[in-house]
Amino acid sequence: EVQLVESGGGLVQPGRSMKLSCAASGFTFSNSVMAWVRQAPTKGLEWVATISYDVSSTYYRDSVKGRFTISRDNAKSTLYLQMNSLRSEDTATYYCTRVNTYYGSYYFDYWGQGVMVTVSS
Amino acid sequence: DVVLTQTPPTLSATIGQSVSISCRSSQSLLDSDGDTYLNWLLQRPGQSPQLLIYSVSNLESGVPNRFSGSGSETDFTLKISGVEAEDLGVYYCMQATHAPLTFGSGTKLEIK
Repeated sequence: EVQLVESGGGLVQPGRSMKLSCAASGFTFSNSVMAWVRQAPTKGLEWVATISYDVSSTYYRDSVKGRFTISRDNAKSTLYLQMNSLRSEDTATYYCTRVNTYYGSYYFDYWGQGVMVTVSS
Repeated sequence: DVVLTQTPPTLSATIGQSVSISCRSSQSLLDSDGDTYLNWLLQRPGQSPQLLIYSVSNLESGVPNRFSGSGSETDFTLKISGVEAEDLGVYYCMQATHAPLTFGSGTKLEIK
């Protein structure tokens, strides 16, 4: 059974940092492109960042570039999102997702349960 | 950024009714490699999103075949042939042809 379990969320003050983790199991993590997608309260979905299976490439949305860092530890089957200089607009539920890129496709096929990050003083 | 416009924003259906959701893109989603990276997801109340359709018309494993996707270039449609109670939630289209990857604003399906 595929599982993506996020952790590390909570309440944080503006300007501070927080690191999210996502423990993966049930599929070959080391061969998988991974991503973070977030959802602000009562809002839609927003892609945040993507990392290649071998860590050679990372991609970010403009609003988090320079503040967020996506990383992974394939030995531990764990995905991370280091978030610095947090802003109120970063308040959201953050989902860890697996990106399926097989056979000319690109889609998020596995999703975690999500972890809430609240940025507020 | 590519803007995906979903219509209608809300949809009310009875059990067994067939419904369609439109997703229009501000740019063609046909990639230079010949593929079209347009997917559909469903987020049930209180749950994480789940994949329904990928690459316009391919049904994800385990998804009932009452769901179908069609379209090309800038116009795409998700059809539910015979709505069931478990289909309520918010439907999103998303594109991965152009960076950054973007989602539509969602269509909320309510059951009458």
